[in-house]
Amino acid sequence: GNSVTQMEGPVTLSEEAFLTINCTYTATGYPSLFWYVQYPGEGLQLLLKATKADDKGSNKGFEATYRKETTSFHLEKGSVQVSDSAVYFCALSQDQTGANNLFFGTGTRLTVIP
Amino acid sequence: DAGVIQSPRHEVTEMGQEVTLRCKPISGHDYLFWYRQTMMRGLELLIYFNNNVPIDDSGMPEDRFSAKMPNASFSTLKIQPSEPRDSAVYFCASGTGLFSGNTIYFGEGSWLTVV
Repeated sequence: GNSVTQMEGPVTLSEEAFLTINCTYTATGYPSLFWYVQYPGEGLQLLLKATKADDKGSNKGFEATYRKETTSFHLEKGSVQVSDSAVYFCALSQDQTGANNLFFGTGTRLTVIP
Repeated sequence: DAGVIQSPRHEVTEMGQEVTLRCKPISGHDYLFWYRQTMMRGLELLIYFNNNVPIDDSGMPEDRFSAKMPNASFSTLKIQPSEPRDSAVYFCASGTGLFSGNTIYFGEGSWLTVV
Protein backbone atom coordinates (compact mmCIF):
# COMPACT_ATOMS: atom_id res chain seq x y z
CA GLY A 1 0.00 0.00 0.00
CA ASN A 2 0.85 3.68 0.02
CA SER A 3 2.11 5.49 3.09
CA VAL A 4 4.28 8.35 4.24
CA THR A 5 6.57 8.37 7.25
CA GLN A 6 8.02 11.62 8.45
CA MET A 7 10.31 12.69 11.20
CA GLU A 8 8.59 13.15 14.51
CA GLY A 9 8.79 16.50 16.16
CA PRO A 10 8.79 18.85 17.63
CA VAL A 11 11.87 20.46 16.16
CA THR A 12 13.27 23.60 17.76
CA LEU A 13 15.96 25.60 16.00
CA SER A 14 17.61 28.93 16.41
CA GLU A 15 17.17 31.53 13.69
CA GLU A 16 19.52 31.01 10.72
CA ALA A 17 20.08 27.34 11.57
CA PHE A 18 19.91 24.63 8.90
CA LEU A 19 16.71 22.61 8.73
CA THR A 20 16.11 19.04 7.62
CA ILE A 21 12.82 17.25 8.07
CA ASN A 22 12.98 13.66 6.89
CA CYS A 23 10.24 12.02 4.85
CA THR A 24 10.18 8.54 3.35
CA TYR A 25 7.39 6.92 1.43
CA THR A 26 6.03 3.57 0.35
CA ALA A 27 4.18 3.41 -2.94
CA THR A 28 3.22 0.80 -5.51
CA GLY A 29 3.87 2.95 -8.54
CA TYR A 30 5.25 6.38 -9.37
CA PRO A 31 3.78 8.89 -6.98
CA SER A 32 4.01 12.65 -6.79
CA LEU A 33 5.38 14.02 -3.54
CA PHE A 34 4.43 17.17 -1.69
CA TRP A 35 5.27 19.26 1.32
CA TYR A 36 2.40 21.19 2.84
CA VAL A 37 2.79 23.78 5.59
CA GLN A 38 0.29 24.76 8.26
CA TYR A 39 0.84 28.08 10.00
CA PRO A 40 -0.81 28.63 13.40
CA GLY A 41 -4.58 28.94 13.12
CA GLU A 42 -4.65 28.27 9.39
CA GLY A 43 -5.32 25.45 6.98
CA LEU A 44 -2.66 23.53 5.11
CA GLN A 45 -1.14 25.10 2.04
CA LEU A 46 1.15 23.67 -0.57
CA LEU A 47 4.81 24.53 -0.02
CA LEU A 48 6.42 22.58 -2.85
CA LYS A 49 6.05 19.44 -4.91
CA ALA A 50 7.89 17.08 -7.23
CA THR A 51 6.20 14.81 -9.73
CA LYS A 52 8.98 12.49 -10.87
CA ALA A 53 12.26 10.99 -9.74
CA ASP A 54 15.19 13.42 -9.36
CA ASP A 55 12.91 16.46 -9.57
CA LYS A 56 13.60 19.16 -7.03
CA GLY A 57 10.75 21.21 -5.63
CA SER A 58 11.57 24.59 -4.17
CA ASN A 59 9.75 27.54 -2.67
CA LYS A 60 10.49 30.26 -0.10
CA GLY A 61 14.02 28.94 0.39
CA PHE A 62 12.81 25.39 1.07
CA GLU A 63 13.90 22.52 -1.16
CA ALA A 64 13.18 18.83 -1.44
CA THR A 65 14.49 16.32 -3.98
CA TYR A 66 12.52 13.25 -5.08
CA ARG A 67 14.89 10.33 -4.49
CA LYS A 68 13.45 7.13 -5.87
CA GLU A 69 16.46 5.01 -4.88
CA THR A 70 15.97 5.87 -1.20
CA THR A 71 12.19 6.52 -1.44
CA SER A 72 12.72 9.85 0.26
CA PHE A 73 11.67 13.49 -0.06
CA HIS A 74 13.47 15.29 2.73
CA LEU A 75 12.70 18.96 3.30
CA GLU A 76 15.65 21.34 3.74
CA LYS A 77 16.25 25.02 4.28
CA GLY A 78 19.63 26.60 4.70
CA SER A 79 18.69 29.37 7.11
CA VAL A 80 15.37 29.29 8.95
CA GLN A 81 13.49 32.33 10.18
CA VAL A 82 11.06 32.81 13.04
CA SER A 83 8.30 33.13 10.45
CA ASP A 84 8.97 29.52 9.35
CA SER A 85 7.52 28.24 12.63
CA ALA A 86 4.71 25.95 11.54
CA VAL A 87 3.72 22.32 11.13
CA TYR A 88 5.08 20.64 7.99
CA PHE A 89 3.35 17.70 6.33
CA CYS A 90 4.84 15.37 3.78
CA ALA A 91 2.27 13.89 1.39
CA LEU A 92 2.06 11.44 -1.49
CA SER A 93 -0.36 11.35 -4.38
CA GLN A 94 -0.78 8.63 -6.92
CA ASP A 95 -2.97 8.31 -9.97
CA GLN A 96 -5.62 5.83 -9.01
CA THR A 97 -9.31 5.44 -9.49
CA GLY A 98 -11.50 4.68 -6.58
CA ALA A 99 -10.11 4.95 -3.11
CA ASN A 100 -8.30 7.87 -1.56
CA ASN A 101 -4.97 8.52 -3.20
CA LEU A 102 -3.64 11.45 -1.18
CA PHE A 103 -1.70 10.30 1.87
CA PHE A 104 -0.36 12.65 4.53
CA GLY A 105 2.34 12.10 7.10
CA THR A 106 1.70 12.90 10.73
CA GLY A 107 3.26 16.35 10.56
CA THR A 108 6.39 17.82 12.12
CA ARG A 109 6.12 20.93 14.27
CA LEU A 110 8.96 23.40 13.77
CA THR A 111 9.62 26.22 16.21
CA VAL A 112 12.28 28.77 15.35
CA ILE A 113 13.52 30.93 18.20
CA PRO A 114 15.22 34.30 17.74
CA ASP B 1 -9.77 34.33 -6.16
CA ALA B 2 -11.76 33.13 -3.19
CA GLY B 3 -10.32 30.04 -1.61
CA VAL B 4 -12.17 27.24 0.13
CA ILE B 5 -14.60 28.82 2.56
CA GLN B 6 -15.64 27.08 5.75
CA SER B 7 -18.11 28.02 8.45
CA PRO B 8 -18.29 28.35 11.33
CA ARG B 9 -14.65 29.08 12.15
CA HIS B 10 -15.19 28.25 15.79
CA GLU B 11 -17.98 26.38 17.52
CA VAL B 12 -18.48 25.34 21.12
CA THR B 13 -21.39 23.04 21.75
CA GLU B 14 -22.71 20.77 24.44
CA MET B 15 -22.50 17.02 24.26
CA GLY B 16 -25.53 15.56 22.53
CA GLN B 17 -26.18 18.55 20.32
CA GLU B 18 -26.16 18.43 16.54
CA VAL B 19 -23.26 20.15 14.80
CA THR B 20 -23.26 21.17 11.13
CA LEU B 21 -20.09 22.32 9.42
CA ARG B 22 -20.26 23.95 6.01
CA CYS B 23 -17.91 24.23 3.08
CA LYS B 24 -17.86 26.10 -0.20
CA PRO B 25 -15.18 24.69 -2.51
CA ILE B 26 -13.24 26.65 -5.09
CA SER B 27 -15.33 27.14 -8.21
CA GLY B 28 -14.52 24.60 -10.89
CA HIS B 29 -13.03 22.04 -8.56
CA ASP B 30 -14.61 18.62 -8.96
CA TYR B 31 -13.18 16.98 -5.83
CA LEU B 32 -14.06 17.88 -2.27
CA PHE B 33 -12.49 16.40 0.86
CA TRP B 34 -13.30 16.53 4.56
CA TYR B 35 -10.40 16.03 6.98
CA ARG B 36 -10.22 15.97 10.77
CA GLN B 37 -7.13 17.05 12.66
CA THR B 38 -6.36 16.18 16.28
CA MET B 39 -3.19 16.13 18.32
CA MET B 40 -3.50 12.41 18.91
CA ARG B 41 -4.21 11.20 15.37
CA GLY B 42 -2.96 13.98 13.15
CA LEU B 43 -4.75 14.60 9.85
CA GLU B 44 -7.38 12.02 8.92
CA LEU B 45 -9.40 11.86 5.72
CA LEU B 46 -13.07 11.40 6.61
CA ILE B 47 -14.74 11.39 3.20
CA TYR B 48 -14.32 12.73 -0.29
CA PHE B 49 -16.64 13.54 -3.18
CA ASN B 50 -16.15 13.61 -6.92
CA ASN B 51 -18.71 15.59 -8.90
CA ASN B 52 -20.92 15.73 -5.80
CA VAL B 53 -20.92 11.93 -5.37
CA PRO B 54 -19.35 10.38 -2.26
CA ILE B 55 -16.49 8.15 -3.39
CA ASP B 56 -14.81 6.98 -0.21
CA ASP B 57 -16.32 7.39 3.25
CA SER B 58 -14.24 4.73 4.95
CA GLY B 59 -12.70 7.35 7.21
CA MET B 60 -16.01 8.46 8.72
CA PRO B 61 -15.66 7.37 12.34
CA GLU B 62 -19.19 6.15 12.98
CA ASP B 63 -22.84 6.59 12.15
CA ARG B 64 -23.01 9.84 14.09
CA PHE B 65 -21.12 11.45 11.22
CA SER B 66 -22.71 12.19 7.86
CA ALA B 67 -21.70 14.32 4.90
CA LYS B 68 -23.61 15.62 1.92
CA MET B 69 -22.84 17.56 -1.21
CA PRO B 70 -26.14 18.68 -2.73
CA ASN B 71 -24.44 20.73 -5.46
CA ALA B 72 -21.01 21.65 -6.77
CA SER B 73 -20.66 24.69 -4.54
CA PHE B 74 -21.72 23.41 -1.14
CA SER B 75 -21.05 20.57 1.27
CA THR B 76 -21.95 19.83 4.88
CA LEU B 77 -20.49 17.60 7.55
CA LYS B 78 -22.94 16.79 10.31
CA ILE B 79 -22.34 15.21 13.70
CA GLN B 80 -25.41 14.03 15.59
CA PRO B 81 -25.22 13.58 18.52
CA SER B 82 -21.88 15.20 19.25
CA GLU B 83 -19.47 13.87 21.88
CA PRO B 84 -16.43 15.42 23.58
CA ARG B 85 -14.10 13.14 21.60
CA ASP B 86 -15.30 14.83 18.41
CA SER B 87 -13.46 17.99 19.45
CA ALA B 88 -11.03 18.71 16.64
CA VAL B 89 -10.32 20.97 13.71
CA TYR B 90 -12.29 19.96 10.64
CA PHE B 91 -10.86 20.96 7.29
CA CYS B 92 -12.53 21.05 3.94
CA ALA B 93 -10.36 20.91 0.84
CA SER B 94 -11.01 20.93 -2.89
CA GLY B 95 -9.09 20.09 -6.01
CA THR B 96 -9.37 19.58 -9.74
CA GLY B 97 -8.59 15.90 -9.70
CA LEU B 98 -6.67 13.13 -8.08
CA PHE B 99 -4.24 12.60 -10.91
CA SER B 100 -0.66 12.57 -9.85
CA GLY B 101 0.76 16.02 -9.25
CA ASN B 102 -2.47 17.90 -8.64
CA THR B 103 -2.70 20.14 -5.61
CA ILE B 104 -5.59 20.33 -3.22
CA TYR B 105 -6.50 23.57 -1.48
CA PHE B 106 -7.55 23.69 2.15
CA GLY B 107 -9.95 25.97 3.95
CA GLU B 108 -8.99 27.57 7.22
CA GLY B 109 -10.80 24.97 9.26
CA SER B 110 -13.69 24.77 11.68
CA TRP B 111 -12.49 24.51 15.28
CA LEU B 112 -15.03 22.39 17.15
CA THR B 113 -15.14 22.00 20.92
CA VAL B 114 -17.73 19.68 22.45
CA VAL B 115 -18.12 20.10 26.20
